[in-house]
Amino acid sequence: GENVEQHPSTLSVQEGDSAVIKCTYSDSASNYFPWYKQELGKRPQLIIDIRSNVGEKKDQRIAVTLNKTAKHFSLHITETQPEDSAVYFCAASTRTDKLIFGTGTRLQVFP
Amino acid sequence: DTGVSQNPRHKITKRGQNVTFRCDPISEHNRLYWYRQTLGQGPEFLTYFQNEAQLEKSRLLSDRFSAERPKGSFSTLEIQRTEQGDSAMYLCASSSGGYSNQPQHFGDGTRLSIL
Repeated sequence: GENVEQHPSTLSVQEGDSAVIKCTYSDSASNYFPWYKQELGKRPQLIIDIRSNVGEKKDQRIAVTLNKTAKHFSLHITETQPEDSAVYFCAASTRTDKLIFGTGTRLQVFP
Repeated sequence: DTGVSQNPRHKITKRGQNVTFRCDPISEHNRLYWYRQTLGQGPEFLTYFQNEAQLEKSRLLSDRFSAERPKGSFSTLEIQRTEQGDSAMYLCASSSGGYSNQPQHFGDGTRLSIL
């Protein structure tokens, strides 16, 4: 079935360090992979996405990489700041365009 | 703000009652999605519409749940005979159509608590 696994479930880093969150998907038809940031009590916010015809995408301190062969994709945050603290969700599209979400990673950035 | 709007923000009801939530998508977005999110989990797909057509329903959606989007604009999600297990955040998202896999933008959600 359609499934997305996400690791780690919690991640603590010092301000200025890098953070990496990894996801694995099961549906070989998935071709769109967004990442959402959700702060406590707020809506999930799209921060970056990547399509299957691209291996890497960057937006300032955030980058996403995709390995279609291995069905892995990862979020990289460099020079982390306290305001990066939140829960991050990866997702993968299905052939019917709905999103399957991972279970989330709680990122804590300590000053 | 022309983002996705959901009402009410919070709903507290007794078990067995019916509840209805409303979602107003970003204008001109013809796709509208409903998700459910429980504490510590990612959003879980429930159903989605392209214009007024309901294209897919999750197997998780029991017959107590129904969703409509009668004019292809706002949508309602109704839960009949609510149960304790229905307590969750109900999220709505919208995206533009035309091409597949356009970014989905979420509303703030409706938090449902069943007493």
